[in-house]
Amino acid sequence: SQQGEEDPQALSIQEGENATMNCSYKTSINNLQWYRQNSGRGLVHLILIRSNEREKHSGRLRVTLDTSKKSSSLLITASRAADTASYFCATDADNNAGNMLTFGGGTRLMVKP
Amino acid sequence: DAGVIQSPRHEVTEMGQEVTLRCKPISGHNSLFWYRQTMMRGLELLIYFNNNVPIDDSGMPEDRFSAKMPNASFSTLKIQPSEPRDSAVYFCASRDSPYNEQFFGPGTRLTVL
Repeated sequence: SQQGEEDPQALSIQEGENATMNCSYKTSINNLQWYRQNSGRGLVHLILIRSNEREKHSGRLRVTLDTSKKSSSLLITASRAADTASYFCATDADNNAGNMLTFGGGTRLMVKP
Repeated sequence: DAGVIQSPRHEVTEMGQEVTLRCKPISGHNSLFWYRQTMMRGLELLIYFNNNVPIDDSGMPEDRFSAKMPNASFSTLKIQPSEPRDSAVYFCASRDSPYNEQFFGPGTRLTVL
């Protein structure tokens, strides 16, 4: 079953605007990760935020984590047409003896030039 | 490092035929994951291995699916016999330890006619 659920399922914006995607999860986590998938390609890791962190930046990406609400957001600032892709959140459970990530359903982002 | 390698990249077969997908994880990674992705069902975890041992195969849809990892550098996912509803993109991924990022291969696009 999918623990992470992204919101919205699809997002369309103009180039230069900011894009915000949200992720909710159900159980206690060690970390939460965001991945990007271009059409027809494999998923690529973007950023990892640990449960004791509240915010993390990487270039134009900003991720926040609120463990009390079991939610995370991914903000892409000054979006570009090349940011068009699907974005997935994935969680590492706190007692992850099995070493598996649980992925959400993804947000499809379209950035119009 | 070449990353996770999958073969073939594309496979077209007829219903009833056996299909074998192959994966070479990143050297030194001790966990390997097989996923299936379709528009209808999204990204599904089929099975994963830790140190060549299958840990959780609850995602394998039917007995027609089987996976092996005979050594640390090779894994196969076999479908026998294949059916049209098996058409999907199959991804292999690996990671070196819990709580780190997962690396995905480019995927195998399977079409069963």
